Amino acid sequence: KAGVTQTPRYLIKTRGQQVTLSCSPISGHRSVSWYQQTPGQGLQFLFEYFSETQRNKGNFPGRFSGRQFSNSRSEMNVSTLELGDSALYLCASSPYRVIGSETQYFGPGTRLLVL
Amino acid sequence: GENVEQHPSTLSVQEGDSAVIKCTYSDSASNYFPWYKQELGKGPQLIIDIRSNVGEKKDQRIAVTLNKTAKHFSLHITETQPEDSAVYFCAATPFSSNTGKLIFGQGTTLQVKP
Repeated sequence: KAGVTQTPRYLIKTRGQQVTLSCSPISGHRSVSWYQQTPGQGLQFLFEYFSETQRNKGNFPGRFSGRQFSNSRSEMNVSTLELGDSALYLCASSPYRVIGSETQYFGPGTRLLVL
Repeated sequence: GENVEQHPSTLSVQEGDSAVIKCTYSDSASNYFPWYKQELGKGPQLIIDIRSNVGEKKDQRIAVTLNKTAKHFSLHITETQPEDSAVYFCAATPFSSNTGKLIFGQGTTLQVKP
């Protein structure tokens, strides 16, 4: 099976712009989670989507949003970019959520640089 | 709140030695504990995981132990090889959320010297 894919892999934006990142989960996986990774804060949970519904959200401002499509692909959007949004954004997918299906598989990430 | 502490932050061993990384979690209801390995320029790769109804799990040179009473879990790598050099993250799923949320430790940079 193909793994989790994320596009684009690298992105450079300027402050105030907005950005959309895309994630395609492993075939058959229905849950997609997003994380932000920075040297200072480490890996932090952004949100999770399952069956096109956001089921959980981390402690990030409303500028960070996401959605999931009927084919389980997901996008996240960051509006009004700030310098501190520079990070590696990781997407992870999980199988259908019954007990014991918490295992998450990560994609390679999108590295965002805000200038 | 939900928190995972990981130690040490850096670890240097000679090839062939063992390496141990320890984590402590705060949510006593946590029931799933994965370990990830992240190499430069790549996303985290799941290497082993353990659930709260199991005390120990082994996969070749890698083992994980869980002490629910002390809220500790550890990663053990035996016969280390240079290709084991990477950043390792422990994580815990807070049971209360019951959704795809992992709380990660700060990471351990493991260097295996040939």
